[in-house]
Amino acid sequence: QVQLVESGGGLVKPGGSLRLSCAASGFTFSDYYMSWIRQAPGKGLEWVSYISSSSSYTNYADSVKGRFTISRDNAKNSLYLQMNSLRAEDTAVYYCARDLRFRIQLWSTNWFDPWGQGTLVTVSS
Amino acid sequence: SYELTQPPSVSVSPGQTARITCSGDALPKQYAYWYQQKPGQAPVLVIYKDSERPSGIPERFSGSSSGTTVTLTISGVQAEDEADYYCQSADSSGTLFGGGTKLTVL
Repeated sequence: QVQLVESGGGLVKPGGSLRLSCAASGFTFSDYYMSWIRQAPGKGLEWVSYISSSSSYTNYADSVKGRFTISRDNAKNSLYLQMNSLRAEDTAVYYCARDLRFRIQLWSTNWFDPWGQGTLVTVSS
Repeated sequence: SYELTQPPSVSVSPGQTARITCSGDALPKQYAYWYQQKPGQAPVLVIYKDSERPSGIPERFSGSSSGTTVTLTISGVQAEDEADYYCQSADSSGTLFGGGTKLTVL
């Protein structure tokens, strides 16, 4: 079955770095866009970043632009999120998700299915 | 960018119908999606493209769209449906989620 498993979360000091990983199985990873989505404790969902199937396109939320970098290794069926200059407000559970896209000419839509179980990132001194 | 607005909470008795709304200016031009999140678990897609139901999702879950508002309807609510529900759509800069609605089954 389709499965996503995140790892790499933990406690890091403000200004520090962390690299999250997401291992995919049960589908042809190289055919799909992938995204990271986060959820601060007791808060709602916030989309963080996406990457296209061949890594040609990436996009980031304004809140992480310039600090986070998304990447993937299709040979290893793995997705990554390099997080630098971490702030207290980056504290959250980080989910990876398969990013399903539908496009007609210049119009497009996307949704997420499935999601991984999440990995907790805590930024605190 | 625009926002997606959901009521913070909805309460319903078992067997009744729960309706959770999501409003946004771009919704007439964009599909909406709904996710169910139970405590300590990852979100699960329950409705896609406004009204389509993924395989494995019970028939009591349905979606509809009218103008700037989309609605998730849960008919014959069961205790196991108690969860947070999030709508999601897209805009020119990326993906947007509503603030979430806590469904309480009385």
